[in-house]
Amino acid sequence: GENVEQHPSTLSVQEGDSAVIKCTYSDSASNYFPWYKQELGKRPQLIIDIRSNVGEKKDQRIAVTLNKTAKHFSLHITETQPEDSAVYFCAASPNAGGTSYGKLTFGQGTILTVHP
Amino acid sequence: DGGITQSPKYLFRKEGQNVTLSCEQNLNHDAMYWYRQDPGQGLRLIYYSQIVNDFQKGDIAEGYSVSREKKESFPLTVTSAQKNPTAFYLCAVGDGPYEQYFGPGTRLTVT
Repeated sequence: GENVEQHPSTLSVQEGDSAVIKCTYSDSASNYFPWYKQELGKRPQLIIDIRSNVGEKKDQRIAVTLNKTAKHFSLHITETQPEDSAVYFCAASPNAGGTSYGKLTFGQGTILTVHP
Repeated sequence: DGGITQSPKYLFRKEGQNVTLSCEQNLNHDAMYWYRQDPGQGLRLIYYSQIVNDFQKGDIAEGYSVSREKKESFPLTVTSAQKNPTAFYLCAVGDGPYEQYFGPGTRLTVT
C-alpha cells in the first residue's frame, strides 16, 4: 500500500519568513495530493491540493509543487503570519477507480510555529 | 464542511463496551470516510464507503464496524475487540475522487 513520509516534524519561523514542508510517497499510482491544516482541537481543513497533471499550483501565499518522477511534493507558505501556526498534513491518493477511490494516506504532520 | 455533523463531541465508555459514533451529512455527497487520529500522529483510514450499501476496509479496520444504509449517514461502531480505542475520530465526506471535507470529530475515551 501507499506510504507517505513528511518532513520536518516541527518547523519554527519568524513572521514574514517562508516555510517549506516536504512529503514523499511510495505508490507511483498516486495522482492526487491534498494538504490539510489542523488547528489545536479542530478538524483538518483542506487548504490546497494538486493533481498529477500539473507540477505547481498557487493560491495567494500558499503553493504546492509536485515532482512525480522523484515521488515528492512540497507545501510552500510565503510571508508567514502567526495565524499560520498549526499542524499541516500532506496526503496522497491513487484515485484510480475501483475500491481505491478516494483512499487517502496521510503523512505524520508538521507542527508549524510562526513567531511574531 | 459545515454540512457534516458528528455526535457527541466527547464520549466516555468503560472497557468492554461497544460504542457507536454518529456521522451525518446534508451535502448529498456519495463518499464517506472514517479516520482515527492519535496524539501527535497523522490520520489513519478505518473504513470508507463510496456508495450506499457498500463499504471497504481501510488500513486499520480491525475492531471496528460500519454500515451505510442511507446516503446521509455512516455510523462507526467501536467494538470491544479494538485494543486501543481511545482516540479522536473524524468523519469525512467527498463528492468525487478528490476533495474530502471533515466533520468536527468525536473524542472517545475508554477507561
